[in-house]
Amino acid sequence: DTGVSQDPRHKITKRGQNVTFRCDPISEHNRLYWYRQTLGQGPEFLTYFQNEAQLEKSRLLSDRFSAERPKGSFSTLEIQRTEQGDSAMYLCASRQTGTAYNEQFFGPGTRLTVL
Amino acid sequence: QKEVEQNSGPLSVPEGAIASLNCTYSDRGSQSFFWYRQYSGKSPELIMFIYSNGDKEDGRFTAQLNKASQYVSLLIRDSQPSDSATYLCAVDKLIFGQGTTLQVKP
Repeated sequence: DTGVSQDPRHKITKRGQNVTFRCDPISEHNRLYWYRQTLGQGPEFLTYFQNEAQLEKSRLLSDRFSAERPKGSFSTLEIQRTEQGDSAMYLCASRQTGTAYNEQFFGPGTRLTVL
Repeated sequence: QKEVEQNSGPLSVPEGAIASLNCTYSDRGSQSFFWYRQYSGKSPELIMFIYSNGDKEDGRFTAQLNKASQYVSLLIRDSQPSDSATYLCAVDKLIFGQGTTLQVKP
C-alpha cells in the first residue's frame, strides 16, 4: 500500500453512460497525476494538478474527460458518454515537489470496462 | 516516433544471470529518467531514478544513462524469479515506454 487510494477499484458500465473515479493522494503531496493504461502498454499521461490548479492536459484527454481537484486534496476524473475504447486501467499518482527523492507513488488503479 | 521506446520482450534469463533492459528517448532536453517495475495486475513501483550521465547502483540494480546517445538502461544482477515483471522506463513528466517483460527462469 503506497498511501494513494482509488475508488472504485473496478467499474463496469454500458456505452454512453457517465462514470466518475476518485483518487485520494498521500496527504502532504501537492502534485497529483492521472494516467490511463491499456494491456501491453505503459501508462499514458492524461493530466496533472499542482494543488488545486490543473497545469497540463494531454491531447489524449478529449472533451468527454474532465478532472478536478477542488481543494487540492482528492481528485475526481469523470468520463462522459463512455465508449468501448475508454476501457482501461485508470491510475492516479502523487508526489511532493521540492524533495530530493522525487518519487511518484501510484494508487492501485480503477479498472474500467465499457460494454 | 514514440517519445520513449522499449523492446516489449519478453526477455528471458536464467536465475542468477544479469538481465539488461534498454530504453531510448527522443527529447534531447530530457533531464530525469526513471525505472518502474510493474507486476501483473498491480501498479508501477519506482525502482531507480537517474539524472546524471554514468551509472547509479542500488543493491542488485544499476541504472546507466548516456544523454549523448539518448539511452538509459537497467541492469539486474543475480536475477531472481521474483524479478519477473514488466519494467517501465519513464522520462521527465513521466512519459512512459511500453515496458519490457522480464522472465527469470529457475
